Amino acid sequence: EIVLTQSPGTLSLSPGERATLSCRASQSVTSSYLAWYQQKPGQAPRLLIYGASSRATGIPDRFSGSGSGTDFTLTISRLEPEDFAVYYCQHYGTSWPFGQGTKVEIK
Amino acid sequence: EVQLVESGGGLVQPGGSLRLSCAASGFTFSGYWMSWVRQAPGKGLEWVANIKQDGSEKYFVASVKGRFTISRDNAKNSLYLQMNSLRAEDTAVYYCATWERWLQFVHWGQGTLVTVSS
Repeated sequence: EIVLTQSPGTLSLSPGERATLSCRASQSVTSSYLAWYQQKPGQAPRLLIYGASSRATGIPDRFSGSGSGTDFTLTISRLEPEDFAVYYCQHYGTSWPFGQGTKVEIK
Repeated sequence: EVQLVESGGGLVQPGGSLRLSCAASGFTFSGYWMSWVRQAPGKGLEWVANIKQDGSEKYFVASVKGRFTISRDNAKNSLYLQMNSLRAEDTAVYYCATWERWLQFVHWGQGTLVTVSS
C-alpha cells in the first residue's frame, strides 16, 4: 500500500513569499492520479490541483503543481493572506491515501 | 450549484452503531462515484469508503472493513454510511465527497461529527 509523506510539517512564511511543499510516495505512482487540497480551520477541504499539475476550477495561477514518480511539489508563488492553511496531497491507486498534511502559517 | 449535506452524526457509546446520510443536489448524483472521508480532531484526512455509481463496487480502508457499510439511493440522491461496532478511534468529522478518476475528490460537504465515547 502506498504511503504519502509530506514535508515539512509546518512552513512559517510571510505574505508575498514563495511556498514549496513536498509530497513523497513510498513507491512510484501515476501522476495522473495525484491531487492537492487546501483546508482552512472549520472548513471542508478544497481541491487545488489534480493530475499533479492541473489547477482545479477557480484556483488562482499562483498555485502550481509538479513532479512525477515518487516526488511531487505544490508551489505557491506569492503567498496571499488567504493561503495560510493546511495542504494535503492524495493519490488514487489501489487505495485513496492522503499525506499527513503541511501547515503553512504566518511568520 | 453542487451541494452535499451530511447528517446523522452524534455521540455514541463504544460498540454502538450510527448511520450517516449525505443529501446531494445540483448535479447528476447517479453519474458519480461517491466517497466518505473522515478527519479525527486535530488530525489529517483519512479516506474511508467509496461506492460506484450503481453500487456494484465498494471499497473500504482496512480499519473499517467488516464494520462499516456504504450504500446509496440514486432515486433519493442520497449516500449512506452504516457504522457498526464503533470504536473511540472512529471519532471524527465525516465528509461525503464526489470522486472522479481524473480529478479525485472534487466536491465536499461540510461534514458531520461522530463522537464515540462512554
